[in-house]
Amino acid sequence: DGGITQSPKYLFRKEGQNVTLSCEQNLNHDAMYWYRQDPGQGLRLIYYSQIVNDFQKGDIAEGYSVSREKKESFPLTVTSAQKNPTAFYLCASAGARYEQFFGPGTRLTVL
Amino acid sequence: AQSVAQPEDQVNVAEGNPLTVKCTYSVSGNPYLFWYVQYPNRGLQFLLKYITGDNLVKGSYGFEAEFNKSQTSFHLKKPSALVSDSALYFCAVRPPDSGNTPLVFGKGTRLSVIA
Repeated sequence: DGGITQSPKYLFRKEGQNVTLSCEQNLNHDAMYWYRQDPGQGLRLIYYSQIVNDFQKGDIAEGYSVSREKKESFPLTVTSAQKNPTAFYLCASAGARYEQFFGPGTRLTVL
Repeated sequence: AQSVAQPEDQVNVAEGNPLTVKCTYSVSGNPYLFWYVQYPNRGLQFLLKYITGDNLVKGSYGFEAEFNKSQTSFHLKKPSALVSDSALYFCAVRPPDSGNTPLVFGKGTRLSVIA
């Protein structure tokens, strides 16, 4: 988990609320990613960014938004349009060494 | 499009026995292949990767994996399993020369090592 921090560790959302998950890295990596993990479904890509001020949709982007204003930060907003947001959210980053490095995750629960 | 298959949802092995977690892939050209491990409520930890060179790759915690191009496989192995190896294991792939495009992950295999 070293080098990538995610906060908060646990997050609770009421129906109709937007919430923002934080992801910060001090690895000087250009690329950052957001994944969603549900039991038995592996990791599904939400958004990714290969460079500052640019990002692309992944497989399940609907109901989510991101920004990449700084190299070290890639926050994810879960909007009220996301109908089933309860899941474990993982942020990752990658530099020149091919592999992705992951943060410790944020567990989001809808009340 | 590239894909990864982990045919076993669950693998059970006795402590001290060898373990194998299977992975097959589909990608054009020579792939970049990865294995990760995840403990409960934690992020994924990188174990090892195959980029080029020797087909047998050694990684963290005594794990190794063998790249087999003819069988399009990249199975994870360990000669002697420990109870502490019990976790969720993910295989991932990326096409070569694709920059930092996201890894494509398999659905994961849960390994249970029984004392």
